[in-house]
Amino acid sequence: AQKITQTQPGMFVQEKEAVTLDCTYDTSDQSYGLFWYKQPSSGEMIFLIYQGSYDEQNATEGRYSLNFQKARKSANLVISASQLGDSAMYFCAMRGYSNSGYALNFGKGTSLLVTP
Amino acid sequence: DGGITQSPKYLFRKEGQNVTLSCEQNLNHDAMYWYRQDPGQGLRLIYYSQIVNDFQKGDIAEGYSVSREKKESFPLTVTSAQKNPTAFYLCASSGLADARNEQFFGPGTRLTVL
Repeated sequence: AQKITQTQPGMFVQEKEAVTLDCTYDTSDQSYGLFWYKQPSSGEMIFLIYQGSYDEQNATEGRYSLNFQKARKSANLVISASQLGDSAMYFCAMRGYSNSGYALNFGKGTSLLVTP
Repeated sequence: DGGITQSPKYLFRKEGQNVTLSCEQNLNHDAMYWYRQDPGQGLRLIYYSQIVNDFQKGDIAEGYSVSREKKESFPLTVTSAQKNPTAFYLCASSGLADARNEQFFGPGTRLTVL
């Protein structure tokens, strides 16, 4: 079974600063994928970034980067130069080949508030 | 534009009634999923389907039913057997070529039982 743990229920960051959102995972799969999604107050889920378990480089997408430490089973999201519009819930999720036909297992999320 | 639509956005139900939530995608994705989200929680998988006329139970399927008669459509019925149906319901779809395929989500349906 897969498990995703996000230990930070809420985080504050000042505008223009960087913030790291923590995610640890547990799986017996050798091949798996890690995703981060953003959920604004409107409820939609917005895909941010993906990291494959065999990817040697950490994934980056604009201001988002994923600090992937496979041995420690962590996949932290780093948001650089925070903006007010980054205030939202952030979810870490995992997909493995053995898991429910590519469905995602989600953590409980971290609420990020960006202050002026 | 390609995407996923869900309707209605808000739904109110009396206890004992069945209700059906609609989910349609025009992304030509093989796989479709239904998730439930409770306040302050992550998403939990209800049902998923990888091919027309086939679907599988997820982690919390009790009290729900689905159908997949067309590739584009994956409606979810919340039955009266679901003890606590008030929640936010999200439909998603993805390709199946490899695990890298991201899931695209619809805007969600907020169900409230009166």
